[in-house]
Amino acid sequence: AQKVTQAQTEISVVEKEDVTLDCVYETRDTTYYLFWYKQPPSGELVFLIRRNSFDEQNEISGRYSWNFQKSTSSFNFTITASQVVDSAVYFCALSEEETSGSRLTFGEGTQLTVNP
Amino acid sequence: KAGVTQTPRYLIKTRGQQVTLSCSPISGHRSVSWYQQTPGQGLQFLFEYFSETQRNKGNFPGRFSGRQFSNSRSEMNVSTLELGDSALYLCASSHGTSGATDTQYFGPGTRLTVL
Repeated sequence: AQKVTQAQTEISVVEKEDVTLDCVYETRDTTYYLFWYKQPPSGELVFLIRRNSFDEQNEISGRYSWNFQKSTSSFNFTITASQVVDSAVYFCALSEEETSGSRLTFGEGTQLTVNP
Repeated sequence: KAGVTQTPRYLIKTRGQQVTLSCSPISGHRSVSWYQQTPGQGLQFLFEYFSETQRNKGNFPGRFSGRQFSNSRSEMNVSTLELGDSALYLCASSHGTSGATDTQYFGPGTRLTVL
């Protein structure tokens, strides 16, 4: 069965610090997709990135970057020069090709607090 | 393009009652999925509907049911409410034609409180 683990429950940093959120996954499927979502206090999950299991290229989008390593089953997320607006709960999620249709398995989430 | 909308945003019910939540997907999206979020269990998948048919189902009791209409709008129903059903219920929509690769876009959620 699939599983996503985010071992860091809470992280607190000071503005402008870099921070990395860890995500480790388990799956028996050879084709799968990994996602990161952000949940601000308003509650709505905001999509950040999707990665498929065949694409291990790291990606950078502004202050955000993602490091996908199949060898360690990890998909970590780094925020560079953090800002107060980055404060939110961040979720890593997995979907498997063998599941016809859409079904996300989420990690427990990491509460990030960026202090001014 | 309008995002996913959910109504109502807040709901208070008592044990034993039933409740219906509504979700309108992004225009053009044919898949609607429902998730329950609680402090203890986190985010859990309830079910997914595509073209008015349930395509996936999570591990929830039969008190939780849903349906989808021809315009892709979806409703979720919980019967005989229990205190443990208090949660944020999130709806997500996607195109639905690419299966697991589809990106799901979430609505603001319905906060259900059972007293």
